[in-house]
Amino acid sequence: GESVGLHLPTLSVQEGDNSIINCAYSNSASDYFIWYKQESGKGPQFIIDIRSNMDKRQGQRVTVLLNKTVKHLSLQIAATQPGDSAVYFCAETYQGAQKLVFGQGTRLTINP
Amino acid sequence: DADVTQTPRNRITKTGKRIMLECSQTKGHDRMYWYRQDPGLGLRLIYYSFDVKDINKGEISDGYSVSRQAQAKFSLSLESAIPNQTALYFCATSEAGGRVNEQFFGPGTRLTVL
Repeated sequence: GESVGLHLPTLSVQEGDNSIINCAYSNSASDYFIWYKQESGKGPQFIIDIRSNMDKRQGQRVTVLLNKTVKHLSLQIAATQPGDSAVYFCAETYQGAQKLVFGQGTRLTINP
Repeated sequence: DADVTQTPRNRITKTGKRIMLECSQTKGHDRMYWYRQDPGLGLRLIYYSFDVKDINKGEISDGYSVSRQAQAKFSLSLESAIPNQTALYFCATSEAGGRVNEQFFGPGTRLTVL
């Protein structure tokens, strides 16, 4: 069936380095993608979204890239900080859909 | 998000017991959702409601029921809890509109069924 998945379940980076979290999706009809951040003991929190008519979107220290050819999106976090430690989820949906489909998540750990 | 609250935050119960998890929101959103989170499986949708008179099954609704008592309240019930329903449960809300968009999540309820 259609699904959203992640390449790596865990990622460790040095503080100050850039982080790249990847996500693969299989539903070619998906046209809207969201990244969520979930800190320990909390619910997921919206970070950034992107529509399929875009290849790139930037926020504060974060950039999402979308490659529709290979059905892949990534979240880049610049100058990673300890507060970036969390589980990151991608989610996808499409026009007319009533719900989001979430990936399994990637745990980002920051080394001092 | 403090605008979406869940009670209880933690619950330990026994097999066969009836459990109700409650969700309240002050965001004024029409849409509310219940998700289940298991390690390595991400978030899976149990039920969702687009208004007080609208209830829809998600991908894993078996063994669960819901009640939308008001715009601000959406409850999830386990009629007869079983151990494989041990998980973290999240309620979420979003604005009405033509597309599912940003969802705001509560802090979660950790449920353990012994």
